[in-house]
Amino acid sequence: EFQLVESGGGLIQPGGSLRLSCAASGFTVSSNYMSWVRQAPGKVLEWVSFIYRGGATYSVESLRGRFSISRDNSKNTVYLEMNSLRAEDTAVYYCARGTEYRSSWYLDLWGQGTLVTVSS
Amino acid sequence: DIQMTQSPSSLSASVGDRVTITCRASQSIISFLNWYQQKPGKAPKLLIYAASSLQSGVPSRFSGSGSGTDFIFTISSLQPEDFATYYCQQSYGTPYTFGQGTKLEIK
Repeated sequence: EFQLVESGGGLIQPGGSLRLSCAASGFTVSSNYMSWVRQAPGKVLEWVSFIYRGGATYSVESLRGRFSISRDNSKNTVYLEMNSLRAEDTAVYYCARGTEYRSSWYLDLWGQGTLVTVSS
Repeated sequence: DIQMTQSPSSLSASVGDRVTITCRASQSIISFLNWYQQKPGKAPKLLIYAASSLQSGVPSRFSGSGSGTDFIFTISSLQPEDFATYYCQQSYGTPYTFGQGTKLEIK
């Protein structure tokens, strides 16, 4: 069975750092695109970061420099490193698998999400 | 950035109704358009990919069409479990933006 399990969320003070983890089972993260998507309370989905099969990464410009995505192939796990956290980063963070289709891709497997709350 | 505009932002309908949601891209995204369903407190679920391809296991009452900048998502006959929020998302170019969502409520 394919599964993604996120962890690492919690309450963090403004300016702090967190590393979210996304453990995959049933498939290999290095053979797929992997993505982080967040959703602030009551708000819409916001795409955050992407790591391609070859290891190249991309993060949305507004978060670049503070957020970075990586993966550990030996642990079959993807990470989201978040630094200099702000109140507006409060959200549920979802990990998702991207499956390639022709020249495009889609997110066909999602984790349950992990809540990050940035507050003093 | 490619802006994705969904309409309507909310919609009231009854079981058995046919429902249509539109998604417009600020530039051509060919057919690189996906549709997701999200229920409260749950992760999104992929319904349609590449504008018109039905994800495995998704009921055939869901369908999608369009290309270029204009896309349509249709539920042919609403079921009680379909009341949720629906998002379009483009996978043409970074950042891979989502629409603002359409909340489908029971009339």
